[in-house]
Amino acid sequence: GAVVSQHPSWVICKSGTSVKIECRSLDFQATTMFWYRQFPKQSLMLMATSNEGSKATYEQGVEKDKFLINHASLTLSTLTVTSAHPEDSSFYICSYGQGNQPQHFGDGTRLSIL
Amino acid sequence: GEDVEQSLFLSVREGDSSVINCTYTDSSSTYLYWYKQEPGAGLQLLTYIFSNMDMKQDQRLTVLLNKKDKHLSLRIADTQTGDSAIYFCAESNGSGYSTLTFGKGTMLLVSP
Repeated sequence: GAVVSQHPSWVICKSGTSVKIECRSLDFQATTMFWYRQFPKQSLMLMATSNEGSKATYEQGVEKDKFLINHASLTLSTLTVTSAHPEDSSFYICSYGQGNQPQHFGDGTRLSIL
Repeated sequence: GEDVEQSLFLSVREGDSSVINCTYTDSSSTYLYWYKQEPGAGLQLLTYIFSNMDMKQDQRLTVLLNKKDKHLSLRIADTQTGDSAIYFCAESNGSGYSTLTFGKGTMLLVSP
């Protein structure tokens, strides 16, 4: 079945640091990937849709200059949290789908900003 | 906008059946999903159903869809302690390229 690899799984860093999260599709070429954020004890909220070779589409309330998305190849999308602050601490998860198949998710990245 | 509602908590004994319920509002939903999330982990796709189906069974899992009432349920037969997790109901109105709308998740606690 489809496999999504997300890296790193856990990051702890100081306030003001920029953090890059990678999401790779391992068994097919993904033109579209999704980035979600999950705060503790809450559901997943879509942050942005990452499109290969073009600009990402951000959901309302998500700062595009804060959360930089790059989808430069069909197998890799990256999310960079720039100048992270404690309020950015969250669980970030990527996913992709193909055709009529359901979306598959990465294992998530737990970001803790001190 | 679309909305997906779930009960927040369910507690069962090992060996019993568990039923997790979900309601949604988007009448154009075409795909309905159940995902499982264990502590600190990502989401694992359990099963999904197309809106033109009433039921889908996969081993211990049975999904029932009442499209008229916009009600979806997940039944887990012979629930095991390893089934303890948060279960998310989600819907989309398109293919795998479409975004998902998630419920808040139901925490299932299975006691020995």
